Amino acid sequence: KQEVTQIPAALSVPEGENLVLNCSFTDSAIYNLQWFRQDPGKGLTSLLLIQSSQREQTSGRLNASLDKSSGRSTLYIAASQPGDSATYLCAVQEDDKIIFGKGTRLHILP
Amino acid sequence: DAGVTQSPTHLIKTRGQQVTLRCSPKSGHDTVSWYQQALGQGPQFIFQYYEEEERQRGNFPDRFSGHQFPNYSSELNVNALLLGDSALYLCASSLTGTQYFGPGTRLLVL
Repeated sequence: KQEVTQIPAALSVPEGENLVLNCSFTDSAIYNLQWFRQDPGKGLTSLLLIQSSQREQTSGRLNASLDKSSGRSTLYIAASQPGDSATYLCAVQEDDKIIFGKGTRLHILP
Repeated sequence: DAGVTQSPTHLIKTRGQQVTLRCSPKSGHDTVSWYQQALGQGPQFIFQYYEEEERQRGNFPDRFSGHQFPNYSSELNVNALLLGDSALYLCASSLTGTQYFGPGTRLLVL
């Protein structure tokens, strides 16, 4: 059974710092991996999607990596801003369903 | 091109009532999946519909049922509502593989 774990559960960093969010999954037979952002009381915003054959994706200040063999992914945020404060969810897709982690609550201190 | 849409955006019901949530998939998509996100948790897979049939189901009781129409739109029905059914309900559509999420319906059961 696929399990997705995100560490840390919560993180507070000063504005301007670079940071890394971690995600691990137990079964490497995945179709893709996505990182989502979720603001309080809102839906999901897809940030980056990495297909199983890819190793990383970049969008602006965000970079996500995927190592299927070790069951790990990282989301790197450069030069963090207060507007980056949100919950970040890691999710892996297997065939017909997506399995999510519980998320990392990120707070950027002005 | 309209993305995935869901209605209503918010809903308040009382215990024991029944509720129907609606989802219109992204244009060209033929598969709809439903997820439940309880407060502080990652979304959990409820079920998936393809060609008007339930193709796969997560660990949810029979009180949760669904339907897919010939135009690929879908409904999620929950009977005999419990307080614990209060959550954000997310719909995702796909054609082959990657799922795209709607904004969700927030259900509060009193």
